[in-house]
Amino acid sequence: ETGVTQTPRHLVMGMTNKKSLKCEQHLGHNAMYWYKQSAKKPLELMFVYNFKEQTENNSVPSRFSPECPNSSHLFLHLHTLQPEDSALYLCASSQGGGGGAKETQYFGPGTRLLVL
Amino acid sequence: GQNIDQPTEMTATEGAIVQINCTYQTSGFNGLFWYQQHAGEAPTFLSYNVLDGLEEKGRFSSFLSRSKGYSYLLLKELQMKDSASYLCAVRYQEDDYKLSFGAGTTVTVRA
Repeated sequence: ETGVTQTPRHLVMGMTNKKSLKCEQHLGHNAMYWYKQSAKKPLELMFVYNFKEQTENNSVPSRFSPECPNSSHLFLHLHTLQPEDSALYLCASSQGGGGGAKETQYFGPGTRLLVL
Repeated sequence: GQNIDQPTEMTATEGAIVQINCTYQTSGFNGLFWYQQHAGEAPTFLSYNVLDGLEEKGRFSSFLSRSKGYSYLLLKELQMKDSASYLCAVRYQEDDYKLSFGAGTTVTVRA
């Protein structure tokens, strides 16, 4: 089975829609992350969860709302998005719990989001 | 500390060697990662360096100089499948397990 999966892979939504992105990891990790990847820009960290507790909210607008019901699942709820929110949204996971400097993040394939 | 800098694009011929440089702020440095990302796919882990020197993994090698705030990823015997974006990411001590990423270097391998 694939380590980190994301659904849907592609999403087109209007500015008044509400949608959710889903991420699932099968690696037994305890930390999960949401990143935004725009063309020619560095990955932007959005949220971090460690043992289901949110430990980072990187000044993300409230129209993005994360949810982490357990260590294996992570959601990103979207509402009233703007066209500039169109990007690739990547989920990642890592061992977490202070795993150390070598702790490696493993990424899912991403959801390509287009906001019209 | 952020400001992870790497070239935007590089082009090389099949069978050749390409070196992708990455510079970063040295204060609080606590490890450097290289990832490969094919178009439309997940970034995949390539290498990790925390001590000075060269780490070799088959056709790929990664080098680190902590005092210079410099790393490079060396791709040898280039194959068409190596055409991808290569991401440099740095961990800083004050950021615990988070990573700061460069914008990525798109490598195009030509026949």
